[in-house]
Amino acid sequence: AQSVTQLDSHVSVSEGTPVLLRCNYSSSYSPSLFWYVQHPNKGLQLLLKYTSAATLVKGINGFEAEFKKSETSFHLTKPSAHMSDAAEYFCVAYSSASKIIFGSGTRLSIRP
Amino acid sequence: GAGVSQSPRYKVAKRGQDVALRCDPISGHVSLFWYQQALGQGPEFLTYFQNEAQLDKSGLPSDRFFAERPEGSVSTLKIQRTQQEDSAVYLCASSLAVEPVLVQEQYFGPGTRLTVT
Repeated sequence: AQSVTQLDSHVSVSEGTPVLLRCNYSSSYSPSLFWYVQHPNKGLQLLLKYTSAATLVKGINGFEAEFKKSETSFHLTKPSAHMSDAAEYFCVAYSSASKIIFGSGTRLSIRP
Repeated sequence: GAGVSQSPRYKVAKRGQDVALRCDPISGHVSLFWYQQALGQGPEFLTYFQNEAQLDKSGLPSDRFFAERPEGSVSTLKIQRTQQEDSAVYLCASSLAVEPVLVQEQYFGPGTRLTVT
């Protein structure tokens, strides 16, 4: 069965420092992978997606993610955190067989 | 332009009551999805429509849950005889019907927070 694991439930970084949010997936075939962000009282918003083209994907607001098949990972990174990045982040896998699977989420906090 | 809207935003129901949650997708979006998000968890897929056709309802947790989209636009998620375990945020999302559907960006509404007492 397919699953998505977000390794950290909470990440806290200082403003201006790098962000790393980790995601691993398990699947018997390469899924399409996404990162969504959820700000309080707002709908989930797509940050970026991987659909078997380039393995390094650039998204909005300076975020990017790299698909590593050998490690079954799709970690989300940003070189320099901004206060407005504080939110909940979800890694999502889509596959034609297992449909849509969300990770449990990582809450990102930014320290001034 | 207008995004996905959901109503009500908050709903408190007594155990055993029926509830109806509404979703207005983005105009022109053919695909519509419902998700259930329990506290501290990621959303879980409930059901999916393409126009008025309910193509997948494998995520509905019981036969107390029913969704419809009779005219291929607005959708309603109905929960009969609510139980405490139904307490969650119910999210609706819509997307353009470009195949393959599941890899298209989904636009989410703000959700309806249901509390069953």
